[in-house]
Amino acid sequence: RKEVEQDPGPFNVPEGATVAFNCTYSNSASQSFFWYRQDCRKEPKLLMSVYSSGNEDGRFTAQLNRASQYISLLIRDSKLSDSATYLCVGTSSGGSYIPTFGRGTSLIVHP
Amino acid sequence: DAGVIQSPRHEVTEMGQEVTLRCKPISGHNSLFWYRQTMMRGLELLIYFNNNVPIDDSGMPEDRFSAKMPNASFSTLKIQPSEPRDSAVYFCASSSHRGTEAFFGQGTRLTVV
Repeated sequence: RKEVEQDPGPFNVPEGATVAFNCTYSNSASQSFFWYRQDCRKEPKLLMSVYSSGNEDGRFTAQLNRASQYISLLIRDSKLSDSATYLCVGTSSGGSYIPTFGRGTSLIVHP
Repeated sequence: DAGVIQSPRHEVTEMGQEVTLRCKPISGHNSLFWYRQTMMRGLELLIYFNNNVPIDDSGMPEDRFSAKMPNASFSTLKIQPSEPRDSAVYFCASSSHRGTEAFFGQGTRLTVV
C-alpha cells in the first residue's frame, strides 16, 4: 500500500466550477505536506504548502486533517489553465523528511 | 537561479548498454533526491542524499542501479546494464533543508529498446 493515496480521476469539470481533491496518508508521523502541479511531459512544481490551520492562495485552498490523516485541495472558479495533474506530498518519518508523492489526480477543465 | 539542471533531457539506448544520468542541484541545497516516474507506479523515490551522503537507497530497484554524489553540486545515477523495463522519466530534485519543498529538474526521459 502506497503511503500517500489519491483518486487518479480524471475529474472533468466546466470552466468556473469548484472542484475538490482529497488525499490520504498512512504515516502518522509525517510532518510536512504539499500540493504539487504537474503539466503533461513537465516536471512537478510546487503549488502550495499545506498548514495545519488551512491556507488559501487565491482560488486555491488547502486543508490538513491530522486526526483523519487526509489533505484536501479546493479549486474555485476553475480555469482552462488549471488542467493538469495534482500531486499530494507528505514527508516520511525517521528523521529523513523524504517527500513521498501520491500518484496524482488528473483535472481536465473544459469550456 | 538556474534551478535544478539535469542532462541529458532524452536518452535512447539499447538494452545492455550503460546509461548515466546527471544532476546539478540548486546551489546551497543540501538534500538531493532521485525519482523515477512511470504511468503504472507514479513518482517513486530511488535514493536520497543529505550533505552528499546517501541516506536512503531502499528505492533503488536492484544492483544494476547506482548513484553517487561526489560533491555538493553534482550527482549521477547510473544503470548498468540497462533493460527495457527501466524506460521511464527520471527526475532529480533538491531542497534546502529537511521538510521544505523539493525543486525538480526537467527530467531525463529514458527509453531502452
